[in-house]
Amino acid sequence: NAGVMQNPRHLVRRRGQEARLRCSPMKGHSHVYWYRQLPEEGLKFMVYLQKENIIDESGMPKERFSAEFPKEGPSILRIQQVVRGDSAAYFCASSPSQDRVGGYTFGSGTRLTVV
Amino acid sequence: GQNIDQPTEMTATEGAIVQINCTYQTSGFNGLFWYQQHAGEAPTFLSYNVLDGLEEKGRFSSFLSRSKGYSYLLLKELQMKDSASYLCAVRATGGFKTIFGAGTRLFVKA
Repeated sequence: NAGVMQNPRHLVRRRGQEARLRCSPMKGHSHVYWYRQLPEEGLKFMVYLQKENIIDESGMPKERFSAEFPKEGPSILRIQQVVRGDSAAYFCASSPSQDRVGGYTFGSGTRLTVV
Repeated sequence: GQNIDQPTEMTATEGAIVQINCTYQTSGFNGLFWYQQHAGEAPTFLSYNVLDGLEEKGRFSSFLSRSKGYSYLLLKELQMKDSASYLCAVRATGGFKTIFGAGTRLFVKA
């Protein structure tokens, strides 16, 4: 079991470009969570998805950010027209259900740098 | 609102014991988690408490008091590799997301 796989590990984008971050959950996990972490800060919840459904997107900025988890393939976090303030580490976590008592399994993260 | 407070930084000596406190105010409660995060790496799960009391797992223990909205993580026999950030996180009822505190950076010195 390869665990939660995120790619790319590092991503550099110029202001105004689009950033696409991918997350493949652990085998058997159907729940995916995206978090953003600014330098020296904690994890901020962005969105919770199940296959083909967005369950809770209360932490997602209203503009430029979107997420999906299609029936086939990885979950995608898309940031359009990136700005310097989007520079952060983006972590994906997965679980087999929302009641999992063992906590999340996190991927290694994607470090986005906007120049 | 939802709020999780923990100290920003702590320093302790190798071989000693350290207690990292966490207080929380959330809309409902469905479990409290502690994670360890080394610089530049992903958080890794340490412990889970949903009932009051102490959960022990090797050198690490976690305590919960739901009536006080309070938890602590106890690290014994500190090792240099324990230098990391420790994140307190709460899952609220009625929702599925877990809210994280800003983390406590622990420095273990020789």
